[in-house]
Amino acid sequence: NAGVTQTPKFQVLKTGQSMTLQCAQDMNHEYMSWYRQDPGMGLRLIHYSVGAGITDQGEVPNGYNVSRSTTEDFPLRLLSAAPSQTSVYFCASRGGVAQPQHFGDGTRLSIL
Amino acid sequence: DQQVKQNSPSLSVQEGRISILNCDYTNSMFDYFLWYKKYPAEGPTFLISISSIKDKNEDGRFTVFLNKSAKHLSLHIVPSQPGDSAVYFCAAIYDYKLSFGAGTTVTVRA
Repeated sequence: NAGVTQTPKFQVLKTGQSMTLQCAQDMNHEYMSWYRQDPGMGLRLIHYSVGAGITDQGEVPNGYNVSRSTTEDFPLRLLSAAPSQTSVYFCASRGGVAQPQHFGDGTRLSIL
Repeated sequence: DQQVKQNSPSLSVQEGRISILNCDYTNSMFDYFLWYKKYPAEGPTFLISISSIKDKNEDGRFTVFLNKSAKHLSLHIVPSQPGDSAVYFCAAIYDYKLSFGAGTTVTVRA
């Protein structure tokens, strides 16, 4: 019973590099989201999706891209990493608008 | 501008006593509220929720109260146990999106 799986768990990048954070869920949930967690700021929504082929921006989308080609996967791409993107990233999914979200265990990303 | 605010970054409580966590919000369009609990190096896990049409929801040791006129909700944990030591996030839903507060770190003392 995997739930929401995020890979990698840790990553160190140099400024300007690009990378993709992977997220997969096995609960057939339509709604998926990416958040970043920074000290004193809680979780902030980066991008979200309400179904395959449909994505939209959250409150802090700049510097990130997403796509949703399947129900299961929702990768987050950093186009050109910046030190300000050093954070812990969480992927989440839920079965309906008012349903509780299930979170992955996070990816800790450091940009040097 | 944060629409969901948890103004107490930390709370220390003795084991067996009540923990009260508070949350304020500014968007009157929020229609669903949730509390999440988070341990270090893990993702948040759902604790309890309440619809905007209700003022109280109870689940075992956890009770959430909603005061819409004050735009305020609170989470009561009775009795507090050592395993309740964690960060607690308040969250609210509107238009598919979840907005989170900054979190309150609860420490339960033996």
